[in-house]
Amino acid sequence: RKEVEQDPGPFNVPEGATVAFNCTYSNSASQSFFWYRQDCRKEPKLLMSVYSSGNEDGRFTAQLNRASQYISLLIRDSKLSDSATYLCVVRKPNTGFQKLVFGTGTRLLVSP
Amino acid sequence: EAGVAQSPRYKIIEKRQSVAFWCNPISGHATLYWYQQILGQGPKLLIQFQNNGVVDDSQLPKDRFSAERLKGVDSTLKIQPAKLEDSAVYLCASRGRVEGQAYEQYFGPGTRLTVT
Repeated sequence: RKEVEQDPGPFNVPEGATVAFNCTYSNSASQSFFWYRQDCRKEPKLLMSVYSSGNEDGRFTAQLNRASQYISLLIRDSKLSDSATYLCVVRKPNTGFQKLVFGTGTRLLVSP
Repeated sequence: EAGVAQSPRYKIIEKRQSVAFWCNPISGHATLYWYQQILGQGPKLLIQFQNNGVVDDSQLPKDRFSAERLKGVDSTLKIQPAKLEDSAVYLCASRGRVEGQAYEQYFGPGTRLTVT
C-alpha cells in the first residue's frame, strides 16, 4: 500500500463550482499533513497545513479524519486560476528532521 | 526576495553520460532536500542534508547517484551513468522561515532532465 494515495483525476469543473479532493495515508502515527499546489511545469508550493480541528483559508477548507486516515481539501467558488495539481503531503512520523511524503497529486481543471 | 536557485533549468543527455545539478538554498536554511519528480507522480525524496551532513539518503540509488553539500550551503547532485528512467524533474528544496511566512519547505524551480 502506498504511504499517501490520491485520485489522480483530472477533475473538470466549471467556474464557481465546489470541488473536493480526498487523500488517504497508511501510517496511523502520522501527525502533520499538508496540501501543496503545483502549477504546470512549476515547483510545488504550500497551500495550507491541515489541523486536527479543520481549517479554512478563504475559499479553501482542509479537514483531517484520523480514524479513517484521510485528509480532504474543499475548494468553493472555483476560479480559472485554481487549475493546478494538488498534492497531498504527510510528514513521516518519528523522524528527527521534517521528511515529507507526497501523493501523486490530483489534477484540477476549471473551465469558463 | 531570493528563493531557492537551481541550474541548469533543462538538460538533455544520452544514456550512460554523466550530469550534475546545482542548488543554492535560501540564505540561512540549514536543511536541504533533493527530490525526483517523474511525470505524473509526486516528488520523491532522494537525499536530505542538515548543514553539511546527510540525514537521510535511503532512497538515493547510490550506484549511480551522489550528492554533496560541502560547506553547508550549496549542493550538487550527480548522476553517473544516466539511464533512460532517470528522466524527471529534479527539485531542490530548503527548509526554514521566510519573513512573514510559515516555517516550511521552499522549492526551487527544478531541473528538467531528459535522457535519450
